Amino acid sequence: GENVEQHPSTLSVQEGDSAVIKCTYSDSASNYFPWYKQELGKRPQLIIDIRSNVGEKKDQRIAVTLNKTAKHFSLHITETQPEDSAVYFCAAKNIQGAQKLVFGQGTRLTINP
Amino acid sequence: NAGVTQTPKFQVLKTGQSMTLQCAQDMNHNSMYWYRQDPGMGLRLIYYSASEGTTDKGEVPNGYNVSRLNKREFSLRLESAAPSQTSVYFCASSITPYTSTDTQYFGPGTRLTVL
Repeated sequence: GENVEQHPSTLSVQEGDSAVIKCTYSDSASNYFPWYKQELGKRPQLIIDIRSNVGEKKDQRIAVTLNKTAKHFSLHITETQPEDSAVYFCAAKNIQGAQKLVFGQGTRLTINP
Repeated sequence: NAGVTQTPKFQVLKTGQSMTLQCAQDMNHNSMYWYRQDPGMGLRLIYYSASEGTTDKGEVPNGYNVSRLNKREFSLRLESAAPSQTSVYFCASSITPYTSTDTQYFGPGTRLTVL
């Protein structure tokens, strides 16, 4: 089955700098890659996703890139702000059939003022 | 719309006790899921229901049972709780896992402690 590895487990950056979180997946048939943000004590919420037919997707200060050949995808947050502090989870799935979403272990991002 | 709701928010059990976690969604979603979240382990799928009337095991089903009561409700039962089941439990729902996007919407979670 699918296995998703996420790095780093913790990341601390200065406010205004950029943050990058990376994930690798094992199943070459996976074709949908969402990212979820979980603030302290709250539920995970989708912030951006990408399908395997595109290499990059942007939404304001966040972007996701996908390298299908290398089987890895990354979340990029630019001009970081204190409210970006949270745990971020990547995930992967194959949309053919009722395949399950497999999550990475999470990255705790801390933005230092 | 309330989205996905879960009860209770917190629960403390003694080893061997049983309990049922309740989940309901009002988004007319077909699919529902139960995850557990442990520090450093991410979100691990316990059971899921792709559509009303079906349930399937996820990554960590041992010690749990589920019931898809109707399209709205999906419950998780611990028959004989163990300390290893101390965790935060999240219910989620999505329209269907068969589409090109499968956004899952999560409930607020249940924090369970087994002593």
